[in-house]
Amino acid sequence: DAKTTQPPSMDCAEGRAANLPCNHSTISGNEYVYWYRQIHSQGPQYIIHGLKNNETNEMASLIITEDRKSSTLILPHATLRDTAVYYCIVRVVGLSSGYSTLTFGKGTMLLVSP
Amino acid sequence: ETGVTQTPRHLVMGMTNKKSLKCEQHLGHNAMYWYKQSAKKPLELMFVYSLEERVENNSVPSRFSPECPNSSHLFLHLHTLQPEDSALYLCASSQDAGGLGNTIYFGEGSWLTVV
Repeated sequence: DAKTTQPPSMDCAEGRAANLPCNHSTISGNEYVYWYRQIHSQGPQYIIHGLKNNETNEMASLIITEDRKSSTLILPHATLRDTAVYYCIVRVVGLSSGYSTLTFGKGTMLLVSP
Repeated sequence: ETGVTQTPRHLVMGMTNKKSLKCEQHLGHNAMYWYKQSAKKPLELMFVYSLEERVENNSVPSRFSPECPNSSHLFLHLHTLQPEDSALYLCASSQDAGGLGNTIYFGEGSWLTVV
């Protein structure tokens, strides 16, 4: 099961910042938080990931709370092309395999409007 | 462009056909994955390969048969599928399958329709 909780949908006006929340209260000390997005009919696109510190790249910023139980993905200036389903994922090691994978939940459908 | 290329992008096959999906990664990664996304369902992990060895089989029916001839290529052989197997099949790769900090990159997917 996914270890995260996200709102099913959010709206954002074009040009404004989009702040997407994620709760991961059972996260363990060595588990990373990953964010992906999926535009309809396409493969998931990697956005950003982090462990403890806040992270920023050309696409977005990731703010992780000090207790690591929640995080926020920030798209600083949303455009219409940012309309997509956004997935917050805690990457874990599989109990049976010992290998780490991504378990996707339902994500947040972000609709950016003019 | 993610460096992971899947072909074909669209495939229609009958229930008695045999077909294959192909994935190639140009990232020098050692781990490759197959995921399945059915309509209105979350992505589901199917298989994980690490250094050409299958390390995870997520209870996938035998009508789906993966093959990893080298670390750059991954195939999913399909035979006697059912209409409910119609879905988007996604290939992905990462530097290795163990590191929690190694990003997994996805291809654009292959849309499969079983008639």
